[in-house]
Amino acid sequence: KAGVTQTPRYLIKTRGQQVTLSCSPISGHRSVSWYQQTPGQGLQFLFEYFSETQRNKGNFPGRFSGRQFSNSRSEMNVSTLELGDSALYLCASSPGLAGLDTQYFGPGTRLTVL
Amino acid sequence: AQSVTQLDSQVPVFEEAPVELRCNYSSSVSVYLFWYVQYPNQGLQLLLKYLSGSTLVKGINGFEAEFNKSQTSFHLRKPSVHISDTAEYFCAVKRTGGATNKLIFGTGTLLAVQP
Repeated sequence: KAGVTQTPRYLIKTRGQQVTLSCSPISGHRSVSWYQQTPGQGLQFLFEYFSETQRNKGNFPGRFSGRQFSNSRSEMNVSTLELGDSALYLCASSPGLAGLDTQYFGPGTRLTVL
Repeated sequence: AQSVTQLDSQVPVFEEAPVELRCNYSSSVSVYLFWYVQYPNQGLQLLLKYLSGSTLVKGINGFEAEFNKSQTSFHLRKPSVHISDTAEYFCAVKRTGGATNKLIFGTGTLLAVQP
């Protein structure tokens, strides 16, 4: 099976712009989670989706949003970019929301905000 | 709420030496425990996980970890490291109930293997 894919891998934007990141989960996986990784804050949970519904959300401002499509692919959007949004954004997929399910991570999208 | 502490931000070790990366957690609810590895410019790869049963868990690449409930620890060990083990290692917890995949991560430990 192909792994989790994320596009694009690298992105450069300027302050005030908006950006959309895409994640394609492993075939058959219905749950997608997003994490932000920065040197200062480490790995932080953004949100998770299952069956096109947001099930859980981390402590991030409303500028961060996401959605999931019927084929389980997910996108996250960041509006009005700030310098502090520069980070590696990781997507993870799992079969469902059962506690025993393991999450598999993609390679990430490196976002740089200038 | 859950939290994970990795006290060592960096662990230097010589090739073929043993290594232990420490992880302690705090949680008011029952959790599952994980170790992930991140190589430069890559995502996270699962090394091993503790869900239940035997407290000694074996993972990929010769790593193992021991769950100690009384000390709320889940230390990662390898008897002999290789240069290729140089990477950042993250300990994480996930609550056992609540229908969520949300992982709480520690701050990571950089394992630097020297020849």
